[in-house]
Amino acid sequence: AQSVTQLGSHVSVSEGALVLLRCNYSSSVPPYLFWYVQYPNQGLQLLLKYTSAATLVKGINGFEAEFKKSETSFHLTKPSAHMSDAAEYFCAVTEGGNTPLVFGKGTRLSVIA
Amino acid sequence: DTAVSQTPKYLVTQMGNDKSIKCEQNLGHDTMYWYKQDSKKFLKIMFSYNNKELIINETVPNRFSPKSPDKAHLNLHINSLELGDSAVYFCASSTQDSGTQYFGPGTRLLVL
Repeated sequence: AQSVTQLGSHVSVSEGALVLLRCNYSSSVPPYLFWYVQYPNQGLQLLLKYTSAATLVKGINGFEAEFKKSETSFHLTKPSAHMSDAAEYFCAVTEGGNTPLVFGKGTRLSVIA
Repeated sequence: DTAVSQTPKYLVTQMGNDKSIKCEQNLGHDTMYWYKQDSKKFLKIMFSYNNKELIINETVPNRFSPKSPDKAHLNLHINSLELGDSAVYFCASSTQDSGTQYFGPGTRLLVL
């Protein structure tokens, strides 16, 4: 069975500061990993994905994530936070194909002016 | 053009009623899903269909019945609504090759 742990249900950063959202996964097969963002009262938007190609994955809005197999981690980073980054972020894992996503509990990112 | 669309966006209803949520995707994907997001924002798979065939049915009460009339549509019918059914329901779709799922805007269901 697969699982995802997101450390920190709420992360608060100052505008311009580094954003680091942590995600650890458990999977018995090579995983496909995703980060999604959910703005208030909206759907889930794909930020980026890892599917066994490059371990450093670049996504939209300046976000990137690094797959580290030895640490079973897929942390999301952004060098400089903007106010518009305030949202809920979800890490998810799947076996690929048409298997469903298993989500972490989400991390709410607040950006302080 | 909206890739994955859901109707209605908001649904407020009384306990005991029956309601349906519709989902359509224009991405040409062969797999569609229903996820439930609870009040704590936790997302969990309910059902998935591949080429109109049910392939995953998690432990969901049988008051919930999905139907896929064709590859582009996946509807969710809920009988005898209960207070605990209040949640946001998301539809998603993907191709079997990529595994990347694209989500609809969600249907916010409130049962009074």
